[in-house]
Amino acid sequence: KQEVTQIPAALSVPEGENLVLNCSFTDSAIYNLQWFRQDPGKGLTSLLLIQSSQREQTSGRLNASLDKSSGRSTLYIAASQPGDSATYLCAVRGTTDSWGKLQFGAGTQVVVTP
Amino acid sequence: DAGVIQSPRHEVTEMGQEVTLRCKPISGHNSLFWYRQTMMRGLELLIYFNNNVPIDDSGMPEDRFSAKMPNASFSTLKIQPSEPRDSAVYFCASSRNEKLFFGSGTQLSVL
Repeated sequence: KQEVTQIPAALSVPEGENLVLNCSFTDSAIYNLQWFRQDPGKGLTSLLLIQSSQREQTSGRLNASLDKSSGRSTLYIAASQPGDSATYLCAVRGTTDSWGKLQFGAGTQVVVTP
Repeated sequence: DAGVIQSPRHEVTEMGQEVTLRCKPISGHNSLFWYRQTMMRGLELLIYFNNNVPIDDSGMPEDRFSAKMPNASFSTLKIQPSEPRDSAVYFCASSRNEKLFFGSGTQLSVL
């Protein structure tokens, strides 16, 4: 059974610092991996989706890398801002999972202090 | 685009009562998902539909839970009878490809 782990559970950084968020998964047979952002009392917003054949995806200040063989993905957020404060979750879809059956990590709660 | 719309935003009910959660997906999206989020178990997929047809309901916890999608623009998740352990945030999400768009959720409290 796929296990998705995100460490640390919480992170606090001063504004301007780069954020590094980690996601690890136990089964390397994945179809894709997504990073989401969740604000308090809100739903999830998809940030980046990496297909299993890709090594990274970039969108603005966000960059996500994927190392399938080691079962890891990293989300980098450059020059963090207070507006980046949120919980960040990663989710994987296994190659044998039916479409849409994502396995989520518990998330990393990020606070960016001004 | 209004995004995925869920109602109600909050629901407080007593044990044993029937609860119906509603979802309107984004127009043009052909897949719809119901998730449940709790502190203990995180996000769990309950059921998903493709072109209004239930594809995988293996996450539905018990027969007390049922979901329908009578047309492409509406879905319901029903709990009957409700129990305190059903208290959670229930999210609906829709998708046209692999990218999911979530609603704001329904906070359900069963007393």
